[in-house]
Amino acid sequence: EIVLTQSPATLSLSPGERAILSCRASQTISNYLAWYQQKPDQAPRLLIYDASNRAAGIPARFSGSGSGTDFTLTISSLEPEDFAVYYCHHRSSWRSPYTSGQGTRLEI
Amino acid sequence: QVQLQQWGAGLLKPSETLSLTCAVYGGSFSGYYWNWIRQPPGKGLEWIGEINDSGSTNYNPSLKSRVSISVDTSKSQVILKLSSVTAADTAVYYCARRPDVRDTYALDYWGQGTLVTVSS
Repeated sequence: EIVLTQSPATLSLSPGERAILSCRASQTISNYLAWYQQKPDQAPRLLIYDASNRAAGIPARFSGSGSGTDFTLTISSLEPEDFAVYYCHHRSSWRSPYTSGQGTRLEI
Repeated sequence: QVQLQQWGAGLLKPSETLSLTCAVYGGSFSGYYWNWIRQPPGKGLEWIGEINDSGSTNYNPSLKSRVSISVDTSKSQVILKLSSVTAADTAVYYCARRPDVRDTYALDYWGQGTLVTVSS
């Protein structure tokens, strides 16, 4: 079973700063990685799919990179509404289940 | 605009069966897999399973013995049933959409979530 490890667990930054969130897979997963943003009492929102593709309507300040085992979500200049929990999420094929990282809390 | 609206019982006793419905509005029901994911309080996302409009299912092996997902295509609805619940099944349950495209696994639309609490 593939394990996704996110770091850091909590990231404390200020509006306008750059945020870099990491997700490491226990084995190579090609580019089958998505990033989701979740605010309190809301459903997750798809930000990035296939490691580096922004979902529809997602601002350009969000970008994803990486392949194999190491992936990064970068928020170039934090807006007040970006403070939330971020999850990386993976599935290898239709035969296998999804796995999720434990989340990174981005706080002001 | 695609909307997924969920409903179902929010409080169950141990050994009862959880039943949730997810209705799809504003978009096609075919051409997608409809997923159920849950999130225990303060924890990450756990995938439960998925179904397409033809009734083809995939389940998380860890829950497969207790899970059943079905569709009512006439109503564009997806139904989740989880039997023999325990306190460990307490979570917010979400439905979500995945395009039925080869090697596409992102979940692009989500329901609002339903908190299910299991307590005697």
